Amino acid sequence: SQTIHQWPATLVQPVGSPLSLECTVEGTSNPNLYWYRQAAGRGLQLLFYSVGIGQISSEVPQNLSASRPQDRQFILSSKKLLLSDSGFYLCAWSKEGGGQPQHFGDGTRLSIL
Amino acid sequence: LAKTTQPISMDSYEGQEVNITCSHNNIATNDYITWYQQFPSQGPRFIIQGYKTKVTNEVASLFIPADRKSSTLSLPRVSLSDTAVYYCLVGGSGGYQKVTFGTGTKLQVIP
Repeated sequence: SQTIHQWPATLVQPVGSPLSLECTVEGTSNPNLYWYRQAAGRGLQLLFYSVGIGQISSEVPQNLSASRPQDRQFILSSKKLLLSDSGFYLCAWSKEGGGQPQHFGDGTRLSIL
Repeated sequence: LAKTTQPISMDSYEGQEVNITCSHNNIATNDYITWYQQFPSQGPRFIIQGYKTKVTNEVASLFIPADRKSSTLSLPRVSLSDTAVYYCLVGGSGGYQKVTFGTGTKLQVIP
């Protein structure tokens, strides 16, 4: 069966510090991968998605970037965090092809001080 | 991307059937309708997906009328553990499922 791992579960970072969140998927190949952010009490905002290695599409201009160095690895990064980057970050995967449901990790709660 | 409209919140007593309706007037021909459940501090969990008519699995049913401009998630005999936010999503056309999550429906199950 397929599993998705996302870490860390919680993270507290000072303003201006760098960020690296990692997500890996097991049990499937060539998945579509997604990064979302969820503000408190709000819906999910799609940040990035990827349909293959090195292929990243950005949905929202922001202080963040994403990379996919391997087929089942998706990384969310920032060179300098802003206070507004605080939130709940979720990684998800889906099988390639249209109409496939997404499967989410447990998320990372990021607090910027 | 098709926009969805759902009630912000609903209350239900334990043991009752709950129906949550979602409007998606601009659904595209190849779009699927997918419902997710989210508990606090967890990622959304896939519940059910459909394209037309009715779909049923072990936890829910999804009713989609012929015009596909709306859909209804039906949860039979809810329990306290069904208290969560439920999201209706429309999309999936093309080679990836690029969808937009709205604010969802917060379901509160009352003892």
